[in-house]
Amino acid sequence: DAKTTQPPSMDCAEGRAANLPCNHSTISGNEYVYWYRQIHSQGPQYIIHGLKNNETNEMASLIITEDRKSSTLILPHATLRDTAVYYCIVRVSLNRDDKIIFGKGTRLHILP
Amino acid sequence: GAVVSQHPSRVICKSGTSVKIECRSLDFQATTMFWYRQFPKQSLMLMATSNEGSKATYEQGVEKDKFLINHASLTLSTLTVTSAHPEDSSFYICSAPRGGLTEAFFGQGTRLTVV
Repeated sequence: DAKTTQPPSMDCAEGRAANLPCNHSTISGNEYVYWYRQIHSQGPQYIIHGLKNNETNEMASLIITEDRKSSTLILPHATLRDTAVYYCIVRVSLNRDDKIIFGKGTRLHILP
Repeated sequence: GAVVSQHPSRVICKSGTSVKIECRSLDFQATTMFWYRQFPKQSLMLMATSNEGSKATYEQGVEKDKFLINHASLTLSTLTVTSAHPEDSSFYICSAPRGGLTEAFFGQGTRLTVV
């Protein structure tokens, strides 16, 4: 079972920051928070991951609360190509063979 | 560029026939690959874990005799949907974790339509 809760859908205006929340109140100390997205009719794409510190890469920023029970994925300047379903996932470790269990995700609509 | 490739990307088959879907890791070896199924407007559901040189591990409720998985080499896993029925129509996606990196890579998916 997925261990995360996300809103089913969100809208964001093009050019604005998209902030996608995720609750993972039962996260364990050795579990990482991962974000993937799936554009329509494609395979999921890795975005970012973190343990407890905030992380930033060329795609997005990840803000994890101090108690690690929730996090927010930030797309700083959303474009129409960011329209996708975004999945927040917790994984036990960085072991490459760990299964990825998907929840329902958030369907993000970027509005022109 | 893509590091995990699926083939075919789209297939239509007649009810009762079998369909094979290939998943290849392009520039790395994958001792483990994962197969998912996704119905319209739903999330990805893990079907099975493909293990190179050994039997696949199926998730609860997935029929191993219907969804045959073969992982004969370190770069190729195949999923065969046997005796396909219209309810098997779905989007099938494979994933391969790449050693030394923290994220798994996903294929582009195969859309199966059984008529």
